[in-house]
Formats: sequence, C-alpha cells, structure tokens
Amino acid sequence: EIVLTQSPGTLSLSPGERATLSCRASQSVSSRYLAWYQQKPGQAPRLLIYGASSRATGIPDRFSGSGSGTDFTLTISRLEPEDFAVYYCQQYGNSPLTFGQGTKVEIK
Amino acid sequence: QLQLQESGPGLVKPSETLSLTCTVSGGFISSSSYYWGWIRQPPGKGLEWIGNVSDSGSTYYNPSLKSRVTIYVDTSKNQFSLKLSSVTAADTAVYYCARHRPEGGFDPWGQGTLVTVSS
Repeated sequence: EIVLTQSPGTLSLSPGERATLSCRASQSVSSRYLAWYQQKPGQAPRLLIYGASSRATGIPDRFSGSGSGTDFTLTISRLEPEDFAVYYCQQYGNSPLTFGQGTKVEIK
Repeated sequence: QLQLQESGPGLVKPSETLSLTCTVSGGFISSSSYYWGWIRQPPGKGLEWIGNVSDSGSTYYNPSLKSRVTIYVDTSKNQFSLKLSSVTAADTAVYYCARHRPEGGFDPWGQGTLVTVSS
C-alpha cells in the first residue's frame, strides 16, 4: 500500500498569500496518477487536480499541481477567502487507492 | 449534469450489515467506461477508499475491508450499492459515493450520508 504523507498539517495564511502544500508518497506513484481535492466543512470533497498537474473542469487557474515520483505539490498562487479549507492528495496508480491525511489551510 | 445521491439507514446495530445505495442521475452508469466508488470519512478524520465497481460489475476493494465488503451495480435502476457486514463503532462515518474517471480522480461526489453504528 502506498502511504501518502501531507505537510504541513495546518497552514496559517492571509488572503492574497501563496500556499504551498506537499504530498510525499512512500513509493513512486505510477504515471503521475495523483489527484488533489478540496473539502469544506459539511461538504463532499471537490476534485481540483488529476494526473498531478491537470486542472479539473471549472477549477480556477490559481490552483496548480506539480511533481512526480514520490514528491508532489499543490500551489494556490493567491488565496481567496473561499480557498480556506482542507486539502487531500490521493493516488490511484496502485490498489488500494489511498489518500493523504489532509492539510488544513486556515486564515491567519 | 451528472449527480449522485446516497441513501440508506442512518443507524445500524453492531454486528449487523450496513447497506447503502447510490442513485445516479443526469447520465447512465452503463454508458461509459467509468468506475463507481465508495469512500468513507469518520467524524473529524480523513478519507478512506472502500472499493470500486465497473458498469459490468468488475470490482476491486480495499484489502483492509475486503472480507466484509460487497459492491454491486444495478444498471436497470442506474444505481450501485455497498454492503458492509459485521459492523462495529469503528465503521461510523460519512459514506460518499463518487464516479472514478479513467483520466483520474473521483468526480462528481454525492453529498454523503452519515451512518452511525450503535445499539
């Protein structure tokens, strides 16, 4: 099983700042089969990024993904008020599919 | 626009079987090569993948739950379902259904349904 470790656990930032979230895998993720999700309280997760760097439909271009192998990054270039949420990475290259434990982006 | 909706009992007794159904609207389960999945989230915790099923009924499960899980599809009703047997309090969670895309990622998701295991 591929274990995904996200860091930091919590990121305290102000609107307008840049957010950099990390996802590290315990072994190489096949073909960059990595996705990122955003989850707000009481809501289902929303797909942001798939294939490590492709934005899902309707996702603003301030969200970008990068990385390969075992190290992946989600960057939010300028935080909007609606971006404060919990973010999860997920790999789908190997079964079982696994999620990271999440990074909470909170308002400083 | 494709929408998914979970349904089923919100309270299940320990040792019994949890049964949930996901109804798909705005599209057909059988008209594509997608997989359809179940994911759960214990209160205040992270996400755990349970398993996926294809429109033809092929399944793959999380090994940690495999001995207790059955996922199956009913294309005539445009639904897929989850059964989890011998539940304990550790199975208390919000259960989500979602479509798994060939290009990757679960999208869209149902709104989720809270299932509590308690006597």
